[in-house]
Amino acid sequence: DIVMTQSPDSLAVSLGERATINCKSSQSVLYSSNKKNYLAWYQQKPGQPPKLLIYWASARESGVPDRFSGSGSGTDFTLTISSLQAEDVAVYYCQQYYSSPPSFTFGPGTKVDIK
Amino acid sequence: EVQLVESGGGLVQPGGSLTLSCAASGFTFSDYWMSWVRQAPGKGLEWVANIKQDGGKEYYVDSVKGRFTISRDNARNSLYLQMNSLRAEDTAVYYCARGQGDSGWNYFDCWGQGTLVTVSS
Repeated sequence: DIVMTQSPDSLAVSLGERATINCKSSQSVLYSSNKKNYLAWYQQKPGQPPKLLIYWASARESGVPDRFSGSGSGTDFTLTISSLQAEDVAVYYCQQYYSSPPSFTFGPGTKVDIK
Repeated sequence: EVQLVESGGGLVQPGGSLTLSCAASGFTFSDYWMSWVRQAPGKGLEWVANIKQDGGKEYYVDSVKGRFTISRDNARNSLYLQMNSLRAEDTAVYYCARGQGDSGWNYFDCWGQGTLVTVSS
């Protein structure tokens, strides 16, 4: 199974400042035949289901503010919130969907708060 | 509006059974792979199972293989999870989620609000 790790476990950022969350997979999630990274990012606020932010490592879901961006390839990925807003306080998860046969795993989550 | 509504959760004793349902609306249900994802209280997300559009393929996380069965009824726009031999560690909120991506290799673009399953004596 592919194991996903995230760092840091939590971070506190001032309003308007940048927040950076890292995600690492235990093996590459880059599929060589289509050059796509099978990696997604989600935001979960208390008492709510997760919300898709980013898929294919860097494609932003429709309706997601452009302050959210994803980058990385292979085993190392980053979610960046360029200018933190109060409504961005949440837990953020990465997820790989590369394993074959399908068996998807999530990172443990990173909690983002306001400093 | 795309909507997924889960039901069927509750309190069940260890070793017992429960069936969860998910009613889909606002999209062509039969066009999508569908999944169940769970979240233990205060913990992270764990994918449980997914099923192909026509119900012809199913995949499960190792911890539920042989105990849980995912199924769907496209005529009723509904997804199900039959859970047998329940254990305390199955206690979680269970989410129904719509799959996107590359055939059965999915990320999830739409989630229900979840239904809580508690396994306790």
